[in-house]
Amino acid sequence: ETGVTQSPTHLIKTRGQQVTLRCSSQSGHNTVSWYQQALGQGPQFIFQYYREEENGRGNFPPRFSGLQFPNYSSELNVNALELDDSALYLCASRDGINYGYTFGSGTRLTVV
Amino acid sequence: GIQVEQSPPDLILQEGANSTLRCNFSDSVNNLQWFHQNPWGQLINLFYIPSGTKQNGRLSATTVATERYSLLYISSSQTTDSGVYFCAVNTPGNQFYFGTGTSLTVIP
Repeated sequence: ETGVTQSPTHLIKTRGQQVTLRCSSQSGHNTVSWYQQALGQGPQFIFQYYREEENGRGNFPPRFSGLQFPNYSSELNVNALELDDSALYLCASRDGINYGYTFGSGTRLTVV
Repeated sequence: GIQVEQSPPDLILQEGANSTLRCNFSDSVNNLQWFHQNPWGQLINLFYIPSGTKQNGRLSATTVATERYSLLYISSSQTTDSGVYFCAVNTPGNQFYFGTGTSLTVIP
């Protein structure tokens, strides 16, 4: 079903490092959002971008930041990685407010 | 923030049985979706249903926005229905909150 692709699929980083996760959305999907899902938990909303501007944010610190590009791709950047940042990171996009989100398969980040 | 509670948290069914999953939310929302998360973590969109009733094969969903709840019905369950079911709501403040999830196991 999904036209949303994420890379890489798995990643191991060291505490204190920085990481960039990438997402490529379906053409025409102007809204993209990112989520963190810890093991055994539901996904937690990080932020949402609409036409390259952040227009919604969850309860995450500023070291979680993002970018959305005109070609429907986006990035999630996390600085100063902590052990608790180990999780599955999901990207989702949609075509307008009256449509549902389509999710990618996620990037599994392990911080050691 | 908005609270999104799902019940039951865990459900074990015999293959062929029917079930109803419930999602309650504490405030007004712009829309609501139901997802099935498979064992590999992929979230599959089942329904986009801000209000009313929709059906897709053995699955159907009803959202009563004025009473702040949604129901997902699974009929004639199959082992492939196993996994975690989430509802998620979009708030007027452009935030997207997932529910607590229902873990479904269908046994042959």
